[in-house]
Order: sequence, then structure tokens, then C-alpha cells
Amino acid sequence: DGGITQSPKYLFRKEGQNVTLSCEQNLNHDAMYWYRQDPGQGLRLIYYSQIVNDFQKGDIAEGYSVSREKKESFPLTVTSAQKNPTAFYLCASSAGGSSTDTQYFGPGTRLTVL
Amino acid sequence: GDSVTQMEGPVTLSEEAFLTINCTYTATGYPSLFWYVQYPGEGLQLLLKATKADDKGSNKGFEATYRKETTSFHLEKGSVQVSDSAVYFCALSENAGGTSYGKLTFGQGTILTVHP
Repeated sequence: DGGITQSPKYLFRKEGQNVTLSCEQNLNHDAMYWYRQDPGQGLRLIYYSQIVNDFQKGDIAEGYSVSREKKESFPLTVTSAQKNPTAFYLCASSAGGSSTDTQYFGPGTRLTVL
Repeated sequence: GDSVTQMEGPVTLSEEAFLTINCTYTATGYPSLFWYVQYPGEGLQLLLKATKADDKGSNKGFEATYRKETTSFHLEKGSVQVSDSAVYFCALSENAGGTSYGKLTFGQGTILTVHP
């Protein structure tokens, strides 16, 4: 079955540590996205990539980094510079990054800073 | 900038009641509009979408019509079930003169609880 996988489902981080969240898709989609969800709020865009080896900052990119070395993979690193990283992180992909394309979401990773 | 405003929640209904969740938007171009649903602890699933004015999206008994004149995309269902209990998000994707990249701008979400 085609879809998006994210791992791990739960992640705990100590202050000052960097952590990397995995996102893999087998939908053969060109565009991939990372969103952050906080309680009672909508999702906010962190980074997006429309093609391999290219990515752009979203609305809240500070304290995060990404890479896009393979079409199917778009890992997100939460660095120690991110002041309030505890949140639910969602990865998504779409066929071509057009405004009419549907974005398909993974199951999410819940990150907690201890 | 673009924005999406959803009706305040949470919404609590009895089974078989009529559902309306209001959504209005602000955009500079010609956005596509989406409704996503999120079940507890899960990612988002597309419920329906509309890509141009007067289009009606529908799925699983849910409907929404793209109203450009009122900048609205209200979600409706004639008879809700307990299994419809979830968080519903309205979102838009702007078509900014050919330079769009599919970014979704979300409303804050509306929690729906349906009781038997």
C-alpha cells in the first residue's frame, strides 16, 4: 500500500539535544512538507521541498533544518536552537506542489522535551 | 496574508443531528479550499476539496460549496454519526500567480463530538 510513514511515533528529547524525525513516502510524489501542530491550533508550515536537493523555509523555520537527498525521504532535524519544540509534527506529500493538489499526511511524531 | 477562520468549538451533537461548521477565508488570489479530518492521535485525512468558485466538494455524506462572493467554505452533513467525532480543519492553498508551491494555510480546527 502506498503512503507516508513517520518515525518514531513518540520522541523524548533533553534540553540542548538535536533530534531527527523521519518521513518516508512511496507515493512517488515530488513535493513534501513538514508542519507543526500545537494544541488548539491549526498546522503551521516549517519547511517544504518541491524537488530533490531543493527545499524552502516555511512560516516557522527557525530552529529546524531539513534535507532532501532522495525523492522518497524528507527528514526534519529539531535543533537546540528551537526554543519550544514540544509539539506534534506532521509530514505530508503531494504529487506536484500545485495549489490544487491534495496533500497526504503521515501519522505524525509527538515530540516532548524533558 | 492568507488566513482561514473557523467557527469556535467544540461542537457537541446527538447522533443524526445536522452539522454545520463555518469556515471563511482571506486570500489575494484564487485559492483551492480543503476540509481535512483528524482522528485522535492520527495524522490528517482529506475529507473533500474544491478548486474553483461554485464547486461543491462531497465525501462520506459531507458537503461544502466554494462561495467566492462570501469567501466561505462551510462544511455540512445531514445526519452525523458517533464515528464522525474528530477534529475538522478548513484550509486553503493559494495559487499565487503561477508561483504556488501548495502551501496549506489552516484554520484552528473544530472539535466535533457526537453522542449516541
